[in-house]
Amino acid sequence: KQEVTQIPAALSVPEGENLVLNCSFTDSAIYNLQWFRQDPGKGLTSLLLIQSSQREQTSGRLNASLDKSSGRSTLYIAASQPGDSATYLCAVIPGGVTGGGNKLTFGTGTQLKVEL
Amino acid sequence: EAQVTQNPRYLITVTGKKLTVTCSQNMNHEYMSWYRQDPGLGLRQIYYSMNVEVTDKGDVPEGYKVSRKEKRNFPLILESPSPNQTSLYFCASSLSSALRPNTEAFFGQGTRLTVV
Repeated sequence: KQEVTQIPAALSVPEGENLVLNCSFTDSAIYNLQWFRQDPGKGLTSLLLIQSSQREQTSGRLNASLDKSSGRSTLYIAASQPGDSATYLCAVIPGGVTGGGNKLTFGTGTQLKVEL
Repeated sequence: EAQVTQNPRYLITVTGKKLTVTCSQNMNHEYMSWYRQDPGLGLRQIYYSMNVEVTDKGDVPEGYKVSRKEKRNFPLILESPSPNQTSLYFCASSLSSALRPNTEAFFGQGTRLTVV
């Protein structure tokens, strides 16, 4: 059974710092990995999607990497801002057809606070 | 604007009173699913649908029903809600079916349900 772990559970950094959020998964047979942002009272916003054949994806100040063989992904946030404060979730689509082939297995998230 | 829309956003109800949470997407996606989010447990899939009239159980289906009569709509039905169904619910959609799994998932803004 695929399990996804995110460490740390919470992180507080001063504005302007570069930071890395970690995601690990137990089964390397995945179709893709997706990073989300969750703000209180709001839904999940997709940040980056990495296909199983890719090593990384970039969007603005965000860069996500994927190492399937070691079961790890990182989300790098450059020059953090207070507006980046949110909970960050990673999720994988496991290999096979569980959940119709498109079920996401989520980590429990990293709660990020960027302070002025 | 491409989006997944859930209603209502907030709902307080009493044990045993049937309720429906609606979900609609405007992206012509085949795959739709419902998740619930609970502290310490993360997001877990309740039900999913691979296409019209094709639905199946996810990881935590007990106490829930769904239907998929139209491609854009995927309502979640609680026939007899109980307090353990108090949770934050998310509807999600993606283009792919099991044959084409590598696409991005989009989430609604969530429905916070309290059953007293």
